[in-house]
Amino acid sequence: NAGVTQTPKFQVLKTGQSMTLQCAQDMNHEYMSWYRQDPGMGLRLIHYSVGAGITDQGEVPNGYNVSRSTTEDFPLRLLSAAPSQTSVYFCASSRPGTGFTEAFFGQGTRLTVV
Amino acid sequence: GQQVMQIPQYQHVQEGEDFTTYCNSSTTLSNIQWYKQRPGGHPVFLIQLVKSGEVKKQKRLTFQFGEAKKNSSLHITATQTTDVGTYFCAAMKTGANNLFFGTGTRLTVIP
Repeated sequence: NAGVTQTPKFQVLKTGQSMTLQCAQDMNHEYMSWYRQDPGMGLRLIHYSVGAGITDQGEVPNGYNVSRSTTEDFPLRLLSAAPSQTSVYFCASSRPGTGFTEAFFGQGTRLTVV
Repeated sequence: GQQVMQIPQYQHVQEGEDFTTYCNSSTTLSNIQWYKQRPGGHPVFLIQLVKSGEVKKQKRLTFQFGEAKKNSSLHITATQTTDVGTYFCAAMKTGANNLFFGTGTRLTVIP
C-alpha cells in the first residue's frame, strides 16, 4: 500500500500565484485533513473532510480552499499565495469512529512563497 | 487558539536520562493520541489512549491519560539517540471529529 501520497515535495511560489497541493490515499479512509506546520506552532488544522462531498474549516482556513470529489483525493488550493503561507503542509487520513482512529500522514510539502 | 497545550517546548537530555512531556487541555477529551516526528520527517502514530486513568507501555515509553481526561503524559526511560525527534500529543474533543495537535516537544539526546 502506498498510504498517503502528497505532491509536490517542494515548491517555490511568487506572491499572488496560485497552486494546488495534491493528496491521495489508497486506504479507503473517510476522514482526510490538511495541516500546516510552523516552528513553535505545532500542526494546525486547515480544512478537513469526513467523506466525499463534505468539507469543513479547521483552525486556520483563510487563504485555502479544498474539495473532496472522491474518497481517495483531497487537494488543497492556494488561490493567491502570500509569504505568510510559507510552511510545511501535511495531509492526513484516518477512519473516524469510536474505534481505532490512527492518522496516517503524507511525506509533506515544503512551500516557500517569495 | 491552541486546543491543547504541550510542555516543555524543548528538552535536551544526556543519553540514558529520562524524558517526560506533558499535554493539557481545558476541556474534556474523548481520546488522546501521541505521535513522533523525526527531523525532516512526518508525524508517525505511536499510541491512542481512550479510558480515564489509562496507562500503556511500549518498551521504554509509558503513556498516561489523566483521570479527568484533560491531560496526558509521555515518559521515556533511559533515552537513546534513536529517540530524537518531536513528540506531539493530539486530541479529539468530546463530540467532535477533529484531531487537534499540541505544539510538540522537541527532544535532543546528547550522546
